[in-house]
Amino acid sequence: DQQVKQNSPSLSVQEGRISILNCDYTNSMFDYFLWYKKYPAEGPTFLISISSIKDKNEDGRFTVFLNKSAKHLSLHIVPSQPGDSAVYFCAASEGGATNKLIFGTGTLLAVQP
Amino acid sequence: NAGVTQTPKFRILKIGQSMTLQCTQDMNHNYMYWYRQDPGMGLKLIYYSVGAGITDKGEVPNGYNVSRSTTEDFPLRLELAAPSQTSVYFCASSYGWGEKEKLFFGSGTQLSVL
Repeated sequence: DQQVKQNSPSLSVQEGRISILNCDYTNSMFDYFLWYKKYPAEGPTFLISISSIKDKNEDGRFTVFLNKSAKHLSLHIVPSQPGDSAVYFCAASEGGATNKLIFGTGTLLAVQP
Repeated sequence: NAGVTQTPKFRILKIGQSMTLQCTQDMNHNYMYWYRQDPGMGLKLIYYSVGAGITDKGEVPNGYNVSRSTTEDFPLRLELAAPSQTSVYFCASSYGWGEKEKLFFGSGTQLSVL
């Protein structure tokens, strides 16, 4: 059972436009959500996170939105740049004493110049 | 800034062979993790450690063993390699205490079992 789902394996956008990556989850106990970015032949790197007490968190060109009632979060990148081309993983945690991050399957973003 | 260092980067094993994937971090992080990523799949947690001498199972621990004798090192042992263990393995660490979910990853070890 996939507790964190990224239903779009890939996404292509034009440079300068908005990229929207989506993530759905099924576990209502998740209370902390993160996005990681991964380039080929490298490990994932932390991008942005959001706690369940918030519905939006912004960091420069990156904004994460959380809709708890729909168990849905999204990552917006505005404006998109060719260097943003990478695989983006959504991850979730129950917080507290648990140390287990559950990852989605990833979305490959291609930003066309 | 070395961060999290994994060795080797690539390895081919024969069925039944054993090996140890090495992982070391120089950030004085308390928490360390081993993940595996299969093609088209997300990262699955194998084992994790919250400090030296303390380890616990993740989602997919079968066929693996770990130890944590120091804060810096967290090796992953495969005792009897099987084709199902062909994967990319990532070691990660985090500070903990409110920051434990922000993981710093190594660059990965690509393992093939033939």
